[in-house]
Amino acid sequence: EVQLLESGGGLVQPGGSLRLSCGASGFTFTNYAMSWVRQAPGKGLEWVSAISGNGVSTYYADSVKGRFTISRDISENTLFLQMNSLRAEDTAVYYCAKGDRAGQWLASSFDYWGQGTLVTVSS
Amino acid sequence: QSALTQPASVSGSPGQSITLSCTGTSRDIGTYNYVSWYQQHPGKAPKLMIYDVSDRPSGVSNRFSGSKSGNTASLTISGLQAEDEADYYCCSYAGSSTHVVFGGGTQLTVL
Repeated sequence: EVQLLESGGGLVQPGGSLRLSCGASGFTFTNYAMSWVRQAPGKGLEWVSAISGNGVSTYYADSVKGRFTISRDISENTLFLQMNSLRAEDTAVYYCAKGDRAGQWLASSFDYWGQGTLVTVSS
Repeated sequence: QSALTQPASVSGSPGQSITLSCTGTSRDIGTYNYVSWYQQHPGKAPKLMIYDVSDRPSGVSNRFSGSKSGNTASLTISGLQAEDEADYYCCSYAGSSTHVVFGGGTQLTVL
């Protein structure tokens, strides 16, 4: 059974940093591209970042480019999102999501999602 | 403002068929057949309902179907049921610069 479990969310001041983790199990981690998708309170989904299965290629939304870094540890089957220079508008539930087919560099459809971790940026 | 445009709300009665629209541009929906749809109940993670415009993952009811014409994708739900009441989001591949875009979501109410 595929499982994705996010952690690392919390309250952080504007300008601060936070590192999110997503532990994956139930599938061959290196075969699938992974993404982070966020949802601000009461708002819609926003794609944030993605990484290829082998970790070589990374992709970012313009809203986070230069501030966020996606990475993956294949030995630990874990996806990360390092978030720096956080702003109030980064406040959201952050979901990790698995690409729906093996071998993609960038997934645009996601068949499994974690339960999400809440990041609140406020002073 | 979301990259893909969805109506904010749609409603229907049990047993009816309804169609949700998702309008993009020639840079996303109009060029790529990588449109997906997600159902999200309050407080829950999104669930994949349709991928590649019209394909259904195993386990998703065949009451859900997808299509595309030009820059607009559609999700049709037939035989509407109370459990279909949820938010629905469309998503598309958008090329090598923008990558992936979501719609703003449609809240479906089953009357």
